[in-house]
Amino acid sequence: GQNIDQPTEMTATEGAIVQINCTYQTSGFNGLFWYQQHAGEAPTFLSYNVLDGLEEKGRFSSFLSRSKGYSYLLLKELQMKDSASYLCATRGRGSGNTGKLIFGQGTTLQVKP
Amino acid sequence: DAGITQSPRHKVTETGTPVTLRCHQTENHRYMYWYRQDPGHGLRLIHYSYGVKDTDKGEVSDGYSVSRSKTEDFLLTLESATSSQTSVYFCAISEGSGGMYGYTFGSGTRLTVV
Repeated sequence: GQNIDQPTEMTATEGAIVQINCTYQTSGFNGLFWYQQHAGEAPTFLSYNVLDGLEEKGRFSSFLSRSKGYSYLLLKELQMKDSASYLCATRGRGSGNTGKLIFGQGTTLQVKP
Repeated sequence: DAGITQSPRHKVTETGTPVTLRCHQTENHRYMYWYRQDPGHGLRLIHYSYGVKDTDKGEVSDGYSVSRSKTEDFLLTLESATSSQTSVYFCAISEGSGGMYGYTFGSGTRLTVV
């Protein structure tokens, strides 16, 4: 099976850097995704990692260590609009040709002035 | 926008009544999914489809059925709604089953069972 753990809530200050961690256990691994979800809205895609290392995309970066079952999302130069929930999701090799993702509970980030 | 719409956006229904939620896509994607999102549980997979008339159960499928008679539509039916099915339901589509093919989500349906 698959299990994903993320902190429930985090608070950070505008302009600062915040790191949101995600640990996972999966029977096989075929990719890790991060999604952003503002309150009352649908999740939107942020990043994808399948190999170890850091993927950078503007103010957002995502890191993966497959041997440790660990990922983090790094948000730099925080803005008030970054207040949202951040969802970690994995795709296991057991997904076969179905493509299904398993999601963590999400981390609600509050950015304060 | 992303070519995926859900209807209705909001619905209040009574316990014991059947309810059908619709997901419609214009992207011609093969893969479609229904999730429910509840506080403390995150997104949980109800059912998914990997082609017309090809569907399978997810982790929380009890009390739900689905149908996909054509590529663009994926219907979720609550056979006899219960209060525990009060939730926000999201449909998602994906172009592929592996690699960096992630999901595009619909705007969600907020269902309240009274």
